[in-house]
Amino acid sequence: QLQLQESGPGLVKPSETLSLTCTVSGGSISSSTYYWGWIRQPPGKGLEWIGSIHETGSAYYDPSLMSRVTISVDTSKNQFSLKLNSVTAADTAVYYCARGPVTGDHWFDPWGQGTLVTVSS
Amino acid sequence: AIRMTQSPSSLSASTGDRVTITCRASQRITSYLAWYQQKPGKAPKLLIYSASTLQSGVPSRFSGSGSGTDFTLTISSLQSGDFATYYCQQYFTSPFTFGQGTKLEIK
Repeated sequence: QLQLQESGPGLVKPSETLSLTCTVSGGSISSSTYYWGWIRQPPGKGLEWIGSIHETGSAYYDPSLMSRVTISVDTSKNQFSLKLNSVTAADTAVYYCARGPVTGDHWFDPWGQGTLVTVSS
Repeated sequence: AIRMTQSPSSLSASTGDRVTITCRASQRITSYLAWYQQKPGKAPKLLIYSASTLQSGVPSRFSGSGSGTDFTLTISSLQSGDFATYYCQQYFTSPFTFGQGTKLEIK
């Protein structure tokens, strides 16, 4: 059964870079036509799609974050990563990684359990 | 970006009730719509994709319908485990946007 697990610092200072990794187990990140995505949820608020990447490196990003975000894939480690630079308090959220379907669409299942990242000095 | 608007934002219902949640897209998305259930402190769980296809393992009391701009999620007979927040998501075009959520509470 495919499982995803987010990891990274839980506290990031303002203006610094948020870096998270999603480790995939129970399946290969480079199989078939899946997209792998990052979604976040500010405390008490709704879900926000950040971006998605294919194992070939083809990526989609939310335009509102595009200037600050990079998503990359490391097939040798079966991981994909998120970097968000110049963070502010508005970037405080639970960050989820998730997989899209084999069709190459962009709904998500399964999801990781999520990791809370707080931006504060 | 396509705006997804859910109604109502919150809903009180009782076990056994039939409940319908609506999701409206700001432009046509054909059937590129998914529904998720989220319980407090947990990751969202996919219920439905392609507007009406039930994800494997999801109980048949959940159903989805609609196409174009108007969609509904129906729970035919509420069970205790169904009290949660529900989100729709369009994946017709990037950015792939979510509705604001509908919180389903026990009456």
